[in-house]
Amino acid sequence: DAKTTQPPSMDCAEGRAANLPCNHSTISGNEYVYWYRQIHSQGPQYIIHGLKNNETNEMASLIITEDRKSSTLILPHATLRDTAVYYCIVRAPPHQFYFGTGTSLTVIP
Amino acid sequence: DVKVTQSSRYLVKRTGEKVFLECVQDMDHENMFWYRQDPGLGLRLIYFSYDVKMKEKGDIPEGYSVSREKKERFSLILESASTNQTSMYLCASSLAGPYGYTFGSGTRLTVV
Repeated sequence: DAKTTQPPSMDCAEGRAANLPCNHSTISGNEYVYWYRQIHSQGPQYIIHGLKNNETNEMASLIITEDRKSSTLILPHATLRDTAVYYCIVRAPPHQFYFGTGTSLTVIP
Repeated sequence: DVKVTQSSRYLVKRTGEKVFLECVQDMDHENMFWYRQDPGLGLRLIYFSYDVKMKEKGDIPEGYSVSREKKERFSLILESASTNQTSMYLCASSLAGPYGYTFGSGTRLTVV
């Protein structure tokens, strides 16, 4: 599975959009981009995934560049409850998920 | 919502004990997984299963075994617990295909 690169930490003001970047320059054509988050002392929570097209659900939006070498997770109106570690993972089913160290997002009041 | 339930939130066991960690999911998922999470090492895959009675080794299977006798239940067994198995253990499940995983809340195991 392709390797991903994320910034180790980010801050975001409460109520503003949080934009979390991820680089995956070696992604293959059959690999999906997934995002999870983990709030302290809890299991990771699946957020969203996509292959080529941008995706949106009730939690977030996923923007994948046309060349698929990078993506951005957007939390449109960040709240204090969004403070967590966010993991970007690329994976070709049926292979497994390999979690890196992610981005620690702190939402500031 | 899919629910993945792990039997214990906190567990303390003695070195050499046989330890069973239980995981149950309620949405008929084919796939189930066991990870452990340690500071600085992230989540590491121990074992996974695509179907009843099937199991595959992950990255760190040594010292562990698993059992999947029923579709909804996936057990992780520490044959002889050691202090280096002190960790947070996370169970997950998913449908077959390009779907995300649903994780349980985790079991924090301490081996003394």
